[in-house]
Amino acid sequence: QSALTQPASVSGSPGQSITISCTGTSSDVGGYNYVSWYQQHPGKAPKLMIYEVSNRPSGVSNRFSGSKSGNTASLTISGLQAEDEADYYCSSYTSSSTHVVFGGGTKLTVL
Amino acid sequence: QVQLVQSGAEVKKPGASVKVSCKASGYTFTSYGISWVRQAPGQGLEWMGWISAYNGNTNYAQKLQGRVTMTTDTSTSTAYMELRSLRSDDTAVYYCARTLPIDLNAFDIWGQGTMVTVSS
Repeated sequence: QSALTQPASVSGSPGQSITISCTGTSSDVGGYNYVSWYQQHPGKAPKLMIYEVSNRPSGVSNRFSGSKSGNTASLTISGLQAEDEADYYCSSYTSSSTHVVFGGGTKLTVL
Repeated sequence: QVQLVQSGAEVKKPGASVKVSCKASGYTFTSYGISWVRQAPGQGLEWMGWISAYNGNTNYAQKLQGRVTMTTDTSTSTAYMELRSLRSDDTAVYYCARTLPIDLNAFDIWGQGTMVTVSS
C-alpha cells in the first residue's frame, strides 16, 4: 500500500487533456510544496516532469502542468500524444521518518 | 552530457550483501545530492534514501535503517549504495538519481538502473 493514492489507470484520445490525481495527507502533499511527477516508459528509468508542484524542468513540454489543492496534487497533460502513453508517479516530501513517499503509479493509455 | 552510469546486474543469495555504484559525469558532483530509488518487478517506486555529495550527510528510509549504507567518493564522482542481509523481497531494479539541492524530492537525472536478484 503506497503512501500517496493515485488512480490505477486513465485514458484519453490524441489531442484531449487528462488529469491524474495524487492524494496524500497534511503530513506530505498538503503540508509542503514539494510534489514531483515522473514519467516512466516500460523498461526505462523514470523522467522528472514536474517538481515543486508546478515547475517544469528544462526540456519538458509545456503540455505538462502541475497543481495542488489541499491534500491532492494533480498532473494535467494537454494535447495528448501517443508518446505520452506511460506510467506516471507522484512523490512528495513527508514529515515522517521516510522523508519521501511515492504514489502507486497511474498507467496512461492513449486510445 | 550530464549522466549517471550504474554498475551491472547482480545475483545474490539470501543473507548476502550487495554494493551498487553510480558514477556521475558532466556536472559538479558535490553540488547535488544522490538519492536511491528501487522498483520491484511490476511494482511502483520506493525511495531508499539520500546522500549529500558535498558533506556525506545521509537520510535513510525508516524501513531500511540498519541494512543500508550510502557513501560517496568525491575523487571519482561516484556514489555507492550497500544493502545487507538481503531477502527475496529486495529483488528489484535499483536506481540512483541526482537530487536538486533545495528539494529532496526532485530527481532530475537518473541512472540506467541495476537489477539485483536475490535467490537461493
